[in-house]
Amino acid sequence: EDQVTQSPEALRLQEGESSSLNCSYTVSGLRGLFWYRQDPGKGPEFLFTLYSAGEEKEKERLKATLTKKESFLHITAPKPEDSATYLCAVFNMDSSYKLIFGSGTRLLVRP
Amino acid sequence: NAGVTQTPKFRILKIGQSMTLQCAQDMNHNYMYWYRQDPGMGLKLIYYSVGAGITDKGEVPNGYNVSRSTTEDFPLRLELAAPSQTSVYFCASTDWTENSNQPQHFGDGTRLSIL
Repeated sequence: EDQVTQSPEALRLQEGESSSLNCSYTVSGLRGLFWYRQDPGKGPEFLFTLYSAGEEKEKERLKATLTKKESFLHITAPKPEDSATYLCAVFNMDSSYKLIFGSGTRLLVRP
Repeated sequence: NAGVTQTPKFRILKIGQSMTLQCAQDMNHNYMYWYRQDPGMGLKLIYYSVGAGITDKGEVPNGYNVSRSTTEDFPLRLELAAPSQTSVYFCASTDWTENSNQPQHFGDGTRLSIL
């Protein structure tokens, strides 16, 4: 059964304190992995798509990486506005394009 | 460009009542989805559609129904509301094809409480 597990469930950082969020997955024939950001009371907002092991994507203070078993979202020198829930989702070779989501990591960055 | 629009934003229902959650997208996307998100949990797929007139069940379809008569609209129907259906409901759409892994775009959700 395809599964996505995110850790930690919650993370508190001081402003400027870099860290990483983990997304481990078990899926038959990974076709793509997505990272989303979700603010309270809002829908998920797309951040990155990763397709193959070794791939990296960057956006401002965020950098996403992918291996054959997991993905990391690295946050460098975070700011309070980076506080949000970060969701990871995967989809496999099934052409119906159904995403399997992890339960997310709630990030709080304190000034 | 409005993207994905969900209405209403909030609703309280009594057990046994019925209602329809509305979802509309103006991006001409073929694929549309309904998810539910319970506190501290990820999104669970309820139903999805790959085009007008075509729908299929997701992971948690029991107690829900959908229809897709147009490309733009994908309403979700609750026939006999139960407390277990208290959740936040998200609609999403994408123009994904076999050759382009476009992301899903989400609305801001409908917060539904059943008492």
